[in-house]
Amino acid sequence: AQSVTQLDSHVSVSEGTPVLLRCNYSSSYSPSLFWYVQHPNKGLQLLLKYTSAATLVKGINGFEAEFKKSETSFHLTKPSAHMSDAAEYFCVVPRDNYGQNFVFGPGTRLSVLP
Amino acid sequence: NAGVMQNPRHLVRRRGQEARLRCSPMKGHSHVYWYRQLPEEGLKFMVYLQKENIIDESGMPKERFSAEFPKEGPSILRIQQVVRGDSAAYFCASSPRRTGTTNSYEQYFGPGTRLTVT
Repeated sequence: AQSVTQLDSHVSVSEGTPVLLRCNYSSSYSPSLFWYVQHPNKGLQLLLKYTSAATLVKGINGFEAEFKKSETSFHLTKPSAHMSDAAEYFCVVPRDNYGQNFVFGPGTRLSVLP
Repeated sequence: NAGVMQNPRHLVRRRGQEARLRCSPMKGHSHVYWYRQLPEEGLKFMVYLQKENIIDESGMPKERFSAEFPKEGPSILRIQQVVRGDSAAYFCASSPRRTGTTNSYEQYFGPGTRLTVT
C-alpha cells in the first residue's frame, strides 16, 4: 500500500530563512505526489504536484519540491520564509495506480517567527 | 469559475440527531471525494463518488454514515444518530473526469464543514 511519512510534526523558522519540510513515500510504482497547504480554519490549497515529468517541481508562493526516487523523498523547500507561510503542510500520494483516492501524511505545522 | 462549495460551514448537532453536509463540485468536475479531519490529525479518506455511483466507500464507517451524488444537485454526506466522536471537519474535494491516462488529477478542496456534536 502507498503511504507517506512526514518526518517533522512541527518546524519553526525565522522570517527570511529557508524552509525545509520533509516527506518520504512508499510506493510500488512511480507515483504522482502532491503538497497541499492548510491555513488555520481553512480548506486545503494545492501547492505543487509531481507527475513524472521534471523532478524539480515549482509551485505557488515560491515553494518547490524535488522528487528523488533513490531516496523515496519529495521534500518541500522555500528559500526565504514569510509570515504568511505559517500553516499546516500535507504531503499526499494516490492510494493506487488509478490515482483517484489520496493518502495524506500526518502533516507538518510550520511556524514562522518574526 | 467558482470553487468547490460546502455548506453549512459550521454545524452543531445534539447527540442522536442527523447531520447533512452538502458539497457542490467545481463546474465540469464529475468526481467527488469526502474526507474527515479529526483535531490535530491529517485528512482521512471516506468515500469517492461519481454522478449516481459510489465508486469507493472503503473509508466510510459501516454504520450511520452514507453518501450520495445524485444526477442533479450537490453531493450529500449524511450522518445519522451523531455521537461526540463524529465531531470533526469534513472536507469535500472534486476532480475532473479522467481522459485516458493513469496520471492523477489534483483534487480541489472546499472550505470544509465543521461539525460539533454536543
